Amino acid sequence: KNEVEQSPQNLTAQEGEFITINCSYSVGISALHWLQQHPGGGIVSLFMLSSGKKKHGRLIATINIQEKHSSLHITASHPRDSAVYICAVKGRGSNYQLIWGAGTKLIIKP
Amino acid sequence: DTGVSQDPRHKITKRGQNVTFRCDPISEHNRLYWYRQTLGQGPEFLTYFQNEAQLEKSRLLSDRFSAERPKGSFSTLEIQRTEQGDSAMYLCASSSMGPDEQFFGPGTRLTVL
Repeated sequence: KNEVEQSPQNLTAQEGEFITINCSYSVGISALHWLQQHPGGGIVSLFMLSSGKKKHGRLIATINIQEKHSSLHITASHPRDSAVYICAVKGRGSNYQLIWGAGTKLIIKP
Repeated sequence: DTGVSQDPRHKITKRGQNVTFRCDPISEHNRLYWYRQTLGQGPEFLTYFQNEAQLEKSRLLSDRFSAERPKGSFSTLEIQRTEQGDSAMYLCASSSMGPDEQFFGPGTRLTVL
């Protein structure tokens, strides 16, 4: 079993829909990252969380430390949101290494 | 633009040739990371610098790979005697000691023919 699990693996939705991507982890962490990668492109950091909730524009990220679970929500989704969304955690006691999820491929159809 | 930059963005080379990539981190960041990402996979950690010191190297980093960060600012990743299996996206990230949020560069896509 991977230490960081994402679901769903693939998600296709219509423009305007509310999107939720989930991340569960099995290790103790000091922080959790949500990142975005467009096809053939580099990685963009969206959020770094250690507790609670963060919001940036149409993106919302939440984390429940007790349940070892985080969600990334996209409101009013748009075709330009189509990308791979990756969850990565920094283990407690780790100086630097991130443990990566496999990513969720999101396609938003117009 | 004060983000992480990488050069070149794309590199096509023939098997057996040497290649070198450069990463310029965000200026105040003292931590620098190299990752490799193959198609459809998540990034794999290669190596990590704190200032000019290379503190960790993955077992993925064979003796054909070497990374440097001589002055604690930019870093280079060299691959000697390239093989087709080296074809991948090479990503660089940097972070500061405090928040330690990693910011990624656009990557260098290497194709070995």
